[in-house]
Amino acid sequence: LAKTTQPISMDSYEGQEVNITCSHNNIATNDYITWYQQFPSQGPRFIIQGYKTKVTNEVASLFIPADRKSSTLSLPRVSLSDTAVYYCLVGEGSGNNNDMRFGAGTRLTVKP
Amino acid sequence: GAVVSQHPSWVICKSGTSVKIECRSLDFQATTMFWYRQFPKQSLMLMATSNEGSKATYEQGVEKDKFLINHASLTLSTLTVTSAHPEDSSFYICSARDWGSGNQPQHFGDGTRLSIL
Repeated sequence: LAKTTQPISMDSYEGQEVNITCSHNNIATNDYITWYQQFPSQGPRFIIQGYKTKVTNEVASLFIPADRKSSTLSLPRVSLSDTAVYYCLVGEGSGNNNDMRFGAGTRLTVKP
Repeated sequence: GAVVSQHPSWVICKSGTSVKIECRSLDFQATTMFWYRQFPKQSLMLMATSNEGSKATYEQGVEKDKFLINHASLTLSTLTVTSAHPEDSSFYICSARDWGSGNQPQHFGDGTRLSIL
């Protein structure tokens, strides 16, 4: 049974803000939420990780509500080069070899 | 940042050949590495967890005699596809974590494209 649920695909236009939501109803107390980006024929690349509330770095923001049963990756002002598959991964708790299984991911297409 | 190097990036070989793929953590130690397989337009599928100094843990349905994993040092894990056949053609990706630095995300190699003729 998949631990995470994401929309299969999303379309956007250059310059827009994109929000991708991931559901993880069975998240454990020591689980972190991590988002990865993958381009064709490349390994996934780390984007952002969080435990609760809001995390922001130079490329994205991650919003996590108090119940932690979902999270939203926010990409500000996307460009064509942001077209990729985005994966939400739950687990990787500190010191634990937690579930490293990927869900289906969200295929984001940014149009000019 | 943490770097994971995977080699080779691309290999073509004849059916029946065994192929070895290396995964190295270049600037950190990884007691655990992970091996994934990815088919076109699909997500990554976890094959096995590679543990330094002990046997790998395989996911259900993955043949351990077919996909041999060795994790002899804290910076190197290898995946050997034995007697490869065309159905083994896929994109293989490894990842590793720096367990010595608290909670850290996985870092992935750039994958190995395996084509069996």
